[in-house]
Amino acid sequence: SQTIHQWPATLVQPVGSPLSLECTVEGTSNPNLYWYRQAAGRGLQLLFYSVGIGQISSEVPQNLSASRPQDRQFILSSKKLLLSDSGFYLCAWSVGGRGNSPLHFGNGTRLTVT
Amino acid sequence: QKEVEQDPGPLSVPEGAIVSLNCTYSNSAFQYFMWYRQYSRKGPELLMYTYSSGNKEDGRFTAQVDKSSKYISLFIRDSQPSDSATYLCAMSETSGSRLTFGEGTQLTVNP
Repeated sequence: SQTIHQWPATLVQPVGSPLSLECTVEGTSNPNLYWYRQAAGRGLQLLFYSVGIGQISSEVPQNLSASRPQDRQFILSSKKLLLSDSGFYLCAWSVGGRGNSPLHFGNGTRLTVT
Repeated sequence: QKEVEQDPGPLSVPEGAIVSLNCTYSNSAFQYFMWYRQYSRKGPELLMYTYSSGNKEDGRFTAQVDKSSKYISLFIRDSQPSDSATYLCAMSETSGSRLTFGEGTQLTVNP
């Protein structure tokens, strides 16, 4: 069966520090991968998605970037965190190249920028 | 106006009650409809996945889609305290395309 791992679960970082959140998927090949941010009362906001290695689409221009160095690895990064980057970050995957596939989420990283 | 509207609640019901959760939407091109359950400090978990109009039942959960009214519902029968969570609706125009989420309804089932 497929599993998705996200770490760390919680993170407290000072303003101006770098960020690296990692997500890996097991049990499937060539998945579509996604990064979402969830803010209280504002639902889920799609940040990035990827349909293959090195292929990244950005949905919201901001202080963050994403990379997919391997088929089942997705990384969310920032060079300098802002206070507004605080939030709950979720990685998700869906079956690539096939219709009728919903999203499956990891358990998220709660980021607090101080 | 948001593409997907969902009453944030909170909704509090006694154990055993029938719960009705709803979303309305404005985009008539939406064809795929999902309900996710999210426990506190966890990621959303897929509960129901339906295509177009109609009903789908899975145990105590029933999802309904009325495309003519642009309205979807999730019913929970014989609700349990373990059903206490935030429920998010989501929808997409074509399968695998980006999802549009509601803001979630917070549900508490009291023993």
